[in-house]
Amino acid sequence: EDQVTQSPEALRLQEGESSSLNCSYTVSGLRGLFWYRQDPGKGPEFLFTLYSAGEEKEKERLKATLTKKESFLHITAPKPEDSATYLCAVRGNTGNQFYFGTGTSLTVIP
Amino acid sequence: DGGITQSPKYLFRKEGQNVTLSCEQNLNHDAMYWYRQDPGQGLRLIYYSQIVNDFQKGDIAEGYSVSREKKESFPLTVTSAQKNPTAFYLCASSIDLRVPEQFFGPGTRLTVL
Repeated sequence: EDQVTQSPEALRLQEGESSSLNCSYTVSGLRGLFWYRQDPGKGPEFLFTLYSAGEEKEKERLKATLTKKESFLHITAPKPEDSATYLCAVRGNTGNQFYFGTGTSLTVIP
Repeated sequence: DGGITQSPKYLFRKEGQNVTLSCEQNLNHDAMYWYRQDPGQGLRLIYYSQIVNDFQKGDIAEGYSVSREKKESFPLTVTSAQKNPTAFYLCASSIDLRVPEQFFGPGTRLTVL
């Protein structure tokens, strides 16, 4: 069964303190790994799609990387406005469903 | 502005009542999805549709029903058969099932009293 595990569950950073969020996955035939940002009480906002090991995507202070077993979301010099829950999801080759992790709640302290 | 709208934002219902959540998109997307989000759990797929008049069950379809009479609209009915309906419901769409990036609406928080 396709599974996604995100760690840590929660992360508190000082403004400017870089760190990484982890998304470990098991899937039969990866057809995409997806990162989303979700603010409290709102729908997730799409950030990145990664398809193959070694691939990297960047957007402002965020950089997503992918290996055969996990993905990292690196946050460089975060700002308080980066505070949110970051969700990871995968799609395998057994159907059209996405499988979501439980997310990492990031708090950036000024 | 293109996007996905869900209404209402908050919904309260008495136990035993059916309730319908609205989802509309003007992105010209073929595929639409309904998810449920509970604290401490990942988003779970309820139903999805890849074309008008066609839809498929997700992992947790029991107690829910959907229709897709128009490309733009994918309403979700939470029936009295759903044992734990209180949750945050999210609608999403994508260009089609082959292009997987999903875009989400703002969500509806349903509370059953």
